[in-house]
Amino acid sequence: DQQVKQNSPSLSVQEGRISILNCDYTNSMFDYFLWYKKYPAEGPTFLISISSIKDKNEDGRFTVFLNKSAKHLSLHIVPSQPGDSAVYFCAATEAGGTSYGKLTFGQGTILTVHP
Amino acid sequence: EAGVTQFPSHSVIEKGQTVTLRCDPISGHDNLYWYRRVMGKEIKFLLHFVKESKQDESGMPNNRFLAERTGGTYSTLKVQPAELEDSGVYFCASSQVNTDTQYFGPGTRLTVL
Repeated sequence: DQQVKQNSPSLSVQEGRISILNCDYTNSMFDYFLWYKKYPAEGPTFLISISSIKDKNEDGRFTVFLNKSAKHLSLHIVPSQPGDSAVYFCAATEAGGTSYGKLTFGQGTILTVHP
Repeated sequence: EAGVTQFPSHSVIEKGQTVTLRCDPISGHDNLYWYRRVMGKEIKFLLHFVKESKQDESGMPNNRFLAERTGGTYSTLKVQPAELEDSGVYFCASSQVNTDTQYFGPGTRLTVL
């Protein structure tokens, strides 16, 4: 039962353009969402997060959008840089719930940014 | 500030053997989590410690896996006896109390032959 889904296994974009990574979830109890970036042979690195009380959160080139009614979130990277090439994981959790802190991950999307 | 560290980085063992993985969380982080990624699939939760207590171990696959966090500092994850399907990358993460952002270690790649 895949509660968090990233339906695009890979995405290829040109340097300077926008990268949009998508994530869908099914569990309506999820109320906090995170994006992690992972390089080969390294652990996931926290990128940006959003609480369900917001619909947008920005941090530099990274913006996360949340559509609660559609149970959908997206990560926008503008402008994309070759160093952004990595696997991006979407994760969700029930903040403060009985499973506080347990992250449920999507399968990941491989982003390749071409110079 | 040092990040989450894990040891060893790689381990290759034969089926039936025992392996112990270690995780040192970020200093001061009461929450410690173990996750596993098998064959390039999604990262799956194994268990969660708050200090030395197991808060949630619902993701532990079976009783061949034993996790401990004596003293509430570092944690160990022992697999005994190891099976082929235990192969994967085991990640440890930590977070401060009452926060949701978890910081991950580099992982231990376990190969069971």
